[in-house]
Amino acid sequence: AQTVTQSQPEMSVQEAETVTLSCTYDTSESDYYLFWYKQPPSRQMILVIRQEAYKQQNATENRFSVNFQKAAKSFSLKISDSQLGDAAMYFCAYRSPLTGNQFYFGTGTSLTVIP
Amino acid sequence: DVKVTQSSRYLVKRTGEKVFLECVQDMDHENMFWYRQDPGLGLRLIYFSYDVKMKEKGDIPEGYSVSREKKERFSLILESASTNQTSMYLCASSSQRGPQHFGDGTRLSIL
Repeated sequence: AQTVTQSQPEMSVQEAETVTLSCTYDTSESDYYLFWYKQPPSRQMILVIRQEAYKQQNATENRFSVNFQKAAKSFSLKISDSQLGDAAMYFCAYRSPLTGNQFYFGTGTSLTVIP
Repeated sequence: DVKVTQSSRYLVKRTGEKVFLECVQDMDHENMFWYRQDPGLGLRLIYFSYDVKMKEKGDIPEGYSVSREKKERFSLILESASTNQTSMYLCASSSQRGPQHFGDGTRLSIL
C-alpha cells in the first residue's frame, strides 16, 4: 500500500505570515492524485486543494498553493497571508487510479495561527 | 454541493451493544468509506464500498461490519461494542476520480 508521511505533527504561524506544511509519499505509480484536506475544530473535513500527478503546473486556490515535486515524491502546502480561520488539522492524501477507490492519508499537521 | 450526512454527532453506548452508524450521500457517488480517527493516528480505513452490496476491508475491519443496500446509504455496524472502539467515526463518499467528501463525524463513546 502507498504510504503518506507528514513529518510535522504541529506547526505555528503568525497571522499574515506564510507557512509551509510538508508531505511526502511513497509510490511506484506514475499517475495518481494528491489532496490536502483541512479539519477545523468543528470537525468536518473539507478539501483545500488537489493536484493531478500528470500536471506539471502546481495547483493554486486563492491563498493556498502546492509545491509538487514528482521526482522527489513531495507535495507541500503553502498558506499565504495566514488567517485565524486557517487554524486546523491538515491532512495530506494520495489516491491511485489503479486501486481506484482507496485514499491514503498522512497522520496530519496541527496548525496554530498566532494573532 | 455534495452533502454527506451522518445520523448522529454524538453517541453513547454500552459494552456489548450492537451499534449502527448511518451515512447518506446525495451526489450519486459510487464509492463510500468509513474511517475512524484517533489522536496521533490520523484516519484509518475500516471498510469501503464501490457499489451497492459490494464491500472491501480496509486496514482495521476487525469488530466491524458494513451494509450497503442502496447506493446513497452506507452503514457501519459494531457487532458487540467494546471500549476500545470509542473514537471519532468519519464517513466519506467520492466519485470514481474525484476527491472524498466527508460528513461531520460521529463521536462514539462506549461505556
